[in-house]
Amino acid sequence: DIQMTQSPSSLSASVGDRVTITCRASQSISRYLNWYQQKPGKAPKLLIYAASTLQSGVPSRFSGSGSGTDFTLTISSLQPEDFATYYCQQSYSTLWTFGQGTKVEIK
Amino acid sequence: EVQLVESGGGLVQPGGSLRLSCAASGFTFSSYSMNWIRQAPGKGLEWVSYISSSGSNMFYADSVKGRFTVSRDNAKNSLYLQMNSLRAEDTGLYYCARIGKEIVVQPAVTIGDYWGQGTLVTVSS
Repeated sequence: DIQMTQSPSSLSASVGDRVTITCRASQSISRYLNWYQQKPGKAPKLLIYAASTLQSGVPSRFSGSGSGTDFTLTISSLQPEDFATYYCQQSYSTLWTFGQGTKVEIK
Repeated sequence: EVQLVESGGGLVQPGGSLRLSCAASGFTFSSYSMNWIRQAPGKGLEWVSYISSSGSNMFYADSVKGRFTVSRDNAKNSLYLQMNSLRAEDTGLYYCARIGKEIVVQPAVTIGDYWGQGTLVTVSS
């Protein structure tokens, strides 16, 4: 199975900060990497697919990059509604795997 | 509007069984593969099971293989997860998710583009 490792597991940031979350795959997954946002009590919401393509309706302050084994999710200017948990997920294999999540908290 | 509504969760004793359902609407259900994904309380997301659009191919996480069975009824626009020999570690919120495809790479990338709100399974004596 492909293992996905996110870092950090949590971070504290202020509104307006630039935030970067990294995700590493245990083997090359090309660009088959998606990012989700989950708020408490809600289902995950797709933000970015294929490593860098923004899902329709997602604000442009979110961006993704990377290929192979190393990927990054960046929020250019953190907004109050962005405080949530973020997950990476590989779709290189039909057997999906998720990172352990990164909780973004208010500083 | 795409909707996925899970049901069938509840409290069950260890070793017991439950059957989850996911009712789909707002899209051509028979054209999409589907996943079950779960989340233990306060924990991350764990993929559980996959079923192809026709129902001919199924895959399972090692943690549930041999105990869970995924199925679908395309005539009823419904997805199911039969869970047997339940364990405490199976406790969590179970989501069904539609598997979309985006052709920005070849072969297409698969995405969880729509998710239900989940149904809670609690395994406890």
